[in-house]
Amino acid sequence: GAGVSQSPRYKVAKRGQDVALRCDPISGHVSLFWYQQALGQGPEFLTYFQNEAQLDKSGLPSDRFFAERPEGSVSTLKIQRTQQEDSAVYLCASFQTGEYGYTFGSGTRLTVV
Amino acid sequence: GENVEQHPSTLSVQEGDSAVIKCTYSDSASNYFPWYKQELGKRPQLIIDIRSNVGEKKDQRIAVTLNKTAKHFSLHITETQPEDSAVYFCAGYNNNDMRFGAGTRLTVKP
Repeated sequence: GAGVSQSPRYKVAKRGQDVALRCDPISGHVSLFWYQQALGQGPEFLTYFQNEAQLDKSGLPSDRFFAERPEGSVSTLKIQRTQQEDSAVYLCASFQTGEYGYTFGSGTRLTVV
Repeated sequence: GENVEQHPSTLSVQEGDSAVIKCTYSDSASNYFPWYKQELGKRPQLIIDIRSNVGEKKDQRIAVTLNKTAKHFSLHITETQPEDSAVYFCAGYNNNDMRFGAGTRLTVKP
């Protein structure tokens, strides 16, 4: 595709509900990142994939957070038993090996009520 | 891992004045430093970047300087316009690890 696509754009979840956020990176981009951006803050690293391999998940805040990219293209970030502190914008970014610039998706704004 | 600090957190300037945002980084192996502009409710957009083998880069009204010895880099916007109002993020990158500063909210008053 022409850009990084994320869905849904907005998600309201009741506390305790599971959610799944989707990222469709630029076609052919090997590297994919997930970031969490709280209101008024910079993006905070969550996890990184190279193709289907999750090379770094050190930023995932708890074991309720899980990410996958089974075929090396689309990625899903899953949050189980959501809590209010999970409310944030979740940004996905991709880039091709050898290129430094990230392309961000529009993000998913998650609100846990 | 990399730690990037950004100052100031807010900056207000009069239209036509210059704006400067500064960042420091901790990992001396970081070799790429992009700047992103994020308008309210929108995705971060890359506006300029600099690699570690360059000390300065300019693109029209925007320039970035890098001091590798001191491990700091700065964004300079000249002749600011109201449409420059946004949040600006710096970042440091090394080996597939990109870390962002906390952001600077720039307001340009007409």
